[in-house]
Amino acid sequence: GAVVSQHPSRVICKSGTSVKIECRSLDFQATTMFWYRQFPKKSLMLMATSNEGSKATYEQGVEKDKFLINHASLTLSTLTVTSAHPEDSSFYICSARAPGQGENIQYFGAGTRLSVL
Amino acid sequence: AQSVAQPEDQVNVAEGNPLTVKCTYSVSGNPYLFWYVQYPNRGLQFLLKYITGDNLVKGSYGFEAEFNKSQTSFHLKKPSALVSDSALYFCAVRDRDSGNTPLVFGKGTRLSVIA
Repeated sequence: GAVVSQHPSRVICKSGTSVKIECRSLDFQATTMFWYRQFPKKSLMLMATSNEGSKATYEQGVEKDKFLINHASLTLSTLTVTSAHPEDSSFYICSARAPGQGENIQYFGAGTRLSVL
Repeated sequence: AQSVAQPEDQVNVAEGNPLTVKCTYSVSGNPYLFWYVQYPNRGLQFLLKYITGDNLVKGSYGFEAEFNKSQTSFHLKKPSALVSDSALYFCAVRDRDSGNTPLVFGKGTRLSVIA
């Protein structure tokens, strides 16, 4: 299957710093990428839908100024957690889908474990 | 609105026995259905999907799922469980007419296969 690369896999930072997470589709062009957050023993919570060349669409309750998303190219989307605080500690997962029909598979990155001290 | 229900938080099965992980869905139109597996501290791996055609779908690692339109179900099955199948399993759905929207996931079912 297609490969989605997510980096870094783990990050530990001090409260108040910003953290950038990269998501790349390695062997296909992804016009749309999705960012999820997963709490321990919980399902995936969709944070936002990232469309190449346009502004991201955020889900209700997700602060767009807190979680900045940039989809600069067909193979790269970034999520920046600005001024991170301990409550932002979580597992963040990106997903990409090749353009076309909705039956296309969403491929997932390996996730980023963010720990804010 | 689209939704997925996975009624079991945890499923325990002995190695070698058949396993079933349940999933029911709700969409306004016709569904695309998916199963994913997640190992600890990893992203989700695609197992199988139902688009159209044969109701029994075969996927990776010997898993299969049966689409039942009347019961709006898409249960995941495997004839003989392995200890290495122990993981978190997610069912997901998209309405075919929902445009470029993401998958909607169930809350997940943790499968434990005991040797």
